Amino acid sequence: ETGVTQTPRHLVMGMTNKKSLKCEQHLGHNAMYWYKQSAKKPLELMFVYNFKEQTENNSVPSRFSPECPNSSHLFLHLHTLQPEDSALYLCASSPTAELGGATDTQYFGPGTRLTVL
Amino acid sequence: GENVGLHLPTLSVQEGDNSIINCAYSNSASDYFIWYKQESGKGPQFIIDIRSNMDKRQGQRVTVLLNKTVKHLSLQIAATQPGDSAVYFCAENFGNEKLTFGTGTRLTIIP
Repeated sequence: ETGVTQTPRHLVMGMTNKKSLKCEQHLGHNAMYWYKQSAKKPLELMFVYNFKEQTENNSVPSRFSPECPNSSHLFLHLHTLQPEDSALYLCASSPTAELGGATDTQYFGPGTRLTVL
Repeated sequence: GENVGLHLPTLSVQEGDNSIINCAYSNSASDYFIWYKQESGKGPQFIIDIRSNMDKRQGQRVTVLLNKTVKHLSLQIAATQPGDSAVYFCAENFGNEKLTFGTGTRLTIIP
C-alpha cells in the first residue's frame, strides 16, 4: 500500500446532500492533492495544498470545498453536486511542492468512487 | 500548449513477452516524467520516473526511455506477467507542482 488512505471508498449521494471525503497520508509528506478521474479522461488536478496552505485551485466549482487542517489530513466537502460530478476522486501526497521547482513523485490513495443521483 | 498523450489506448501482449507502452508530450520545457500503473479499483501506483537530463532509467523489470528530440517517452516491461494487466499513465512536470497526465493505455496480458 502507498501509505495514503481515503474514506469512504464508495459514496452515493443525492444532489441536495452534503458529504465529505477524507484523505490521510502516513508518509510525512508536506504536499497533498485532490484529483478527479472520469472515464476516458486524463486525471484532472483540482486542488494542491503545500504545508497546509492552498497553492492551487484549478478552476474548481465552489460546490467542492477543500480543507487541510494539517499536513497529514485533507478533506473535500461536497454540497449540491451534479450527476456529472460522479467520478473517482483521488488524493495524493508528495514530499515537497516547492513553487517553481520540480514536483517530487506523488503517491496516490485508492480513491473514493462517488455517484451523484 | 501542454499535451500528454498515448499512441495506443489498448495493448494486448502474450504472457512472458516484453511490452512497450508509448507516450508523446509536446512541452519541451518538461523536466520530469513519471509512469504510473492503475489496477482496477485502485489508485495510480508509482512505477518509475526519469528526469530530463537522462535518456534511460531501469527498475525491476521496467525501463523508461526518454527521447527529447522527438518528445517521446516509453515504458518497457520485461517478461510480462498476469499481474501487469492494468492501465498505465505517463505524467509530465515542467518546473511547478502540477503533473499533467495522459489518458492511459490499457495493457492486457494474454495467458
